[in-house]
Amino acid sequence: AQSVTQLGSHVSVSEGALVLLRCNYSSSVPPYLFWYVQYPNQGLQLLLKYTTGATLVKGINGFEAEFKKSETSFHLTKPSAHMSDAAEYFCAVTYTGGFKTIFGAGTRLFVKA
Amino acid sequence: EPEVTQTPSHQVTQMGQEVILRCVPISNHLYFYWYRQILGQKVEFLVSFYNNEISEKSEIFDDQFSVERPDGSNFTLKIRSTKLEDSAMYFCASSGQTQYEKLFFGSGTQLSVL
Repeated sequence: AQSVTQLGSHVSVSEGALVLLRCNYSSSVPPYLFWYVQYPNQGLQLLLKYTTGATLVKGINGFEAEFKKSETSFHLTKPSAHMSDAAEYFCAVTYTGGFKTIFGAGTRLFVKA
Repeated sequence: EPEVTQTPSHQVTQMGQEVILRCVPISNHLYFYWYRQILGQKVEFLVSFYNNEISEKSEIFDDQFSVERPDGSNFTLKIRSTKLEDSAMYFCASSGQTQYEKLFFGSGTQLSVL
């Protein structure tokens, strides 16, 4: 079955520290890959996406993600966390031929001062 | 940036009642979706709509659910007879020319079934 796994429902980092949020998908055929962010009482906003081409993708707010086919992973990173990064982050995939985007369970990021 | 708008932001209803959740997708988008998020749980796909018909639906989207695009601008989700377990945040989304583009989400309608 198609699925997206995010390791860690909660991640806590200090301000200025590296952010690493993990995502793995289940498929032998690479899907279209996305990271979305959700701030309290808001809808989801796209951070970045991977379709084809360069495997390191840069997004908004200093985030980037690397697609690794051999590991079926698409981990999200940011070199230096900011207080405003505190939010819930969702990894998502859309498979070729499908019309639905499948979301992971989400990782809530806490940033400590 | 263009927005997807949803109304109402909150809806409270009695079990067994019908509710209609409304959305105005971005005007030149071709693909429309409903997702829901039960408190503390993942965002779940309900249905996608393209070319005036359902293109894909999940197991959740049973006969109690229906979608409509009545006038070329609005996109509605109807739940015919609400159950307690339908309580959730419902998000409308749209995407542009293909289903592989990013989704633009509305702010959601919080549905509470009592």
